[in-house]
Amino acid sequence: SQQGEEDPQALSIQEGENATMNCSYKTSINNLQWYRQNSGRGLVHLILIRSNEREKHSGRLRVTLDTSKKSSSLLITASRAADTASYFCATDGGTSYGKLTFGQGTILTVHP
Amino acid sequence: GAGVSQSPSNKVTEKGKDVELRCDPISGHTALYWYRQRLGQGLEFLIYFQGNSAPDKSGLPSDRFSAERTGESVSTLTIQRTQQEDSAVYLCASSLGLREKLFFGSGTQLSVL
Repeated sequence: SQQGEEDPQALSIQEGENATMNCSYKTSINNLQWYRQNSGRGLVHLILIRSNEREKHSGRLRVTLDTSKKSSSLLITASRAADTASYFCATDGGTSYGKLTFGQGTILTVHP
Repeated sequence: GAGVSQSPSNKVTEKGKDVELRCDPISGHTALYWYRQRLGQGLEFLIYFQGNSAPDKSGLPSDRFSAERTGESVSTLTIQRTQQEDSAVYLCASSLGLREKLFFGSGTQLSVL
């Protein structure tokens, strides 16, 4: 069954604008991760946030986690055309120790 | 090696044939995962291996699918009697351990005609 669900499914913005993607999940988690995928092949890890953390930053990326609402958000500030990609959240928790479950992803398009 | 390596990068096969996909994880990574991604979809978990523990096979869609791993190195995913619905990108990933970030290979694009 699907654990993480991203919203929106697709997002189109102009360069320089901020992009916000959301992820909701159903069961308790140990950690939540965000990944990026270009051109439908290998994924690249962006950020891992543990269940006892509320916010993490990495460069232009900011991730928040609200365990009471079972949701997370990924904010990309000052977006660039090179940020165009699919973004996935993945959750580790529930009844399957170690099994990382991915959502359907958000397709982000940044127009120059 | 420098990263997770998967081979072949593309595989075209006929319905009913068996295929074997290979994954070389990053040296020292004890955990290894297989995922399937159909066109325009998210990643579907298939199986993971962690050290010498029994693998979690809960995501394998049918008994036509099987996977093996030799120690903490190479893994092979075998699909027997392939069907057209098996067409997808098969992604392998490894990590230092469970509940750590994953490093993905570039995947194998499988096309079943």
